[in-house]
Amino acid sequence: KNEVEQSPQNLTAQEGEFITINCSYSVGISALHWLQQHPGGGIVSLFMLSSGKKKHGRLIATINIQEKHSSLHITASHPRDSAVYICAPLRETSGSRLTFGEGTQLTVNP
Amino acid sequence: NAGVTQTPKFQVLKTGQSMTLQCAQDMNHEYMSWYRQDPGMGLRLIHYSVGAGITDQGEVPNGYNVSRSTTEDFPLRLLSAAPSQTSVYFCASRGQGGTWEKLFFGSGTQLSVL
Repeated sequence: KNEVEQSPQNLTAQEGEFITINCSYSVGISALHWLQQHPGGGIVSLFMLSSGKKKHGRLIATINIQEKHSSLHITASHPRDSAVYICAPLRETSGSRLTFGEGTQLTVNP
Repeated sequence: NAGVTQTPKFQVLKTGQSMTLQCAQDMNHEYMSWYRQDPGMGLRLIHYSVGAGITDQGEVPNGYNVSRSTTEDFPLRLLSAAPSQTSVYFCASRGQGGTWEKLFFGSGTQLSVL
């Protein structure tokens, strides 16, 4: 079983829909990153959070450390949100090492 | 600020050849790392460094060497390329303290080993 599980693996939505991507992990962590990988391959850091909720524009990330679960929400989705979204927990005992989920491929149709 | 500069973008090697992937950052980040990305798998850590002169192995270090002689540069060396090393490689860096929240990635290197 992978240490990091993302769901769904693939998600297709219509423009304007509310999107939720989930990340569950089995190891103790101190923080978690959400990343976005563009169709061209570039990777951008969206959030790092260790508790509660963070919001940046139409993106909202939440985390429950005790339940070992994080979610990424996109409000009013747009075709330019189409990308792969990757969660990356930072293990408590690993120093600076990250573990990565396989990613969720999001396609938003106009 | 250029961020993280990774070269080359594409490379084709023959089995047994050696090469170096270059990675440089201009943000004075102490933490730098190399990952490979393969279809159906998440990013996997090859090697990482927490500062000049300090390197350590990640999940998949075999066949790769690194060094960190300066804060800015963290090259990845393939000693004798094998087809199993065909992958997309990413370099990343992160600051510490108040700046450690954000990861910065290079643009990636698509490597094919024939």
